[in-house]
Amino acid sequence: GENVEQHPSTLSVQEGDSAVIKCTYSDSASNYFPWYKQELGKRPQLIIDIRSNVGEKKDQRIAVTLNKTAKHFSLHITETQPEDSAVYFCAASLSGAGSYQLTFGKGTKLSVIP
Amino acid sequence: DAGVIQSPRHEVTEMGQEVTLRCKPISGHDYLFWYRQTMMRGLELLIYFNNNVPIDDSGMPEDRFSAKMPNASFSTLKIQPSEPRDSAVYFCASSSITTGPGGYTFGSGTRLTVV
Repeated sequence: GENVEQHPSTLSVQEGDSAVIKCTYSDSASNYFPWYKQELGKRPQLIIDIRSNVGEKKDQRIAVTLNKTAKHFSLHITETQPEDSAVYFCAASLSGAGSYQLTFGKGTKLSVIP
Repeated sequence: DAGVIQSPRHEVTEMGQEVTLRCKPISGHDYLFWYRQTMMRGLELLIYFNNNVPIDDSGMPEDRFSAKMPNASFSTLKIQPSEPRDSAVYFCASSSITTGPGGYTFGSGTRLTVV
């Protein structure tokens, strides 16, 4: 089955700096890569996703890049703010009939220092 | 839509007792997933259903765990007997083949403590 590795496990940045979280996956057939943000005591919520036919996607201060050859994808947060502090999870999925579950990385705890 | 609804939000039980967690998926979603979250192991998929049928239960840790989905709007995860190592946050999530995995929505979770 799919295996997703996520690094680093913890990350501290100064407010205004950028943060980068990296993930690798094992199944070359995976074609959907979402990122979730989980605030303390809350549910994970989707913040951005990318499909395998796209190399990069941006949404305001958040961007995700995908390198299918190397089987890795990254989350980039620019101009970090204290409210970006949370645990971030990457995931991979083979999106198709009959095969649908997300496999998650172990998470990165991001702390933005004011 | 109220989203994915889980109950209870918190459960404290004694070792050996039976625990039942409940989930109501988003109406119209045909996939339902049960996850367990711990600091050590992160988010682990326990089992998932498609159209009320269990598709993959390979993540269920042992026979003490069982899950059912008697209809499209309700699922249960049961632990019997419970053990302290079962303490975790259990999330239910639902999605739809129509929305694709991007429609994956988590419930608020049940924090289980077994003492």
